Amino acid sequence: DAGVIQSPRHEVTEMGQEVTLRCKPISGHDYLFWYRQTMMRGLELLIYFNNNVPIDDSGMPEDRFSAKMPNASFSTLKIQPSEPRDSAVYFCASSFSTGNQPQHFGDGTRLSIL
Amino acid sequence: QKEVEQDPGPLSVPEGAIVSLNCTYSNSAFQYFMWYRQYSRKGPELLMYTYSSGNKEDGRFTAQVDKSSKYISLFIRDSQPSDSATYLCAMKFDHQGGKLIFGQGTELSVKP
Repeated sequence: DAGVIQSPRHEVTEMGQEVTLRCKPISGHDYLFWYRQTMMRGLELLIYFNNNVPIDDSGMPEDRFSAKMPNASFSTLKIQPSEPRDSAVYFCASSFSTGNQPQHFGDGTRLSIL
Repeated sequence: QKEVEQDPGPLSVPEGAIVSLNCTYSNSAFQYFMWYRQYSRKGPELLMYTYSSGNKEDGRFTAQVDKSSKYISLFIRDSQPSDSATYLCAMKFDHQGGKLIFGQGTELSVKP
């Protein structure tokens, strides 16, 4: 089975540019999570969706960040305008809602803002 | 103070050693505790999932939870070079899918 698929794997862009990160969750999973990982702050939850509806966006750092989930098989995380401090690895994860089902992570997008 | 504290290491041990990884937490409402393993340039993957105080064993791995002390541990017996990775503890409040709070992660290196 295909796991969580993220694209692009790497993104290098200049500050001020719009960045769009994409995620395809595992088919049938009804939860989707966006995380950011840095050396200083570790793995932080940005936002998560249940059945395509945003449930908790309290981790989104500021209005420059937005996330959408137009259908069960696709989500985007957008940063506009980007800043150097947004440089990090961004992970998408998905899971079933019930029981002790683990969150399955993609391999991340390594973002560098120059 | 962070909700979940974990020593980032790095921790270096010889092959065959017993490894102990630990996390402390501040919120007594956490009920479910997990350990994830993350290899370089990969996403985290679930290793162990436990509920309530006590031990859970899976092969060379043992997860231990002490809710009275707000302390969880992961023990790796007979460590192998393939165990070299970053280990993250994580916890959540309820049984349903939802928000996980992660520790900083401990980088482990097992030398042949």
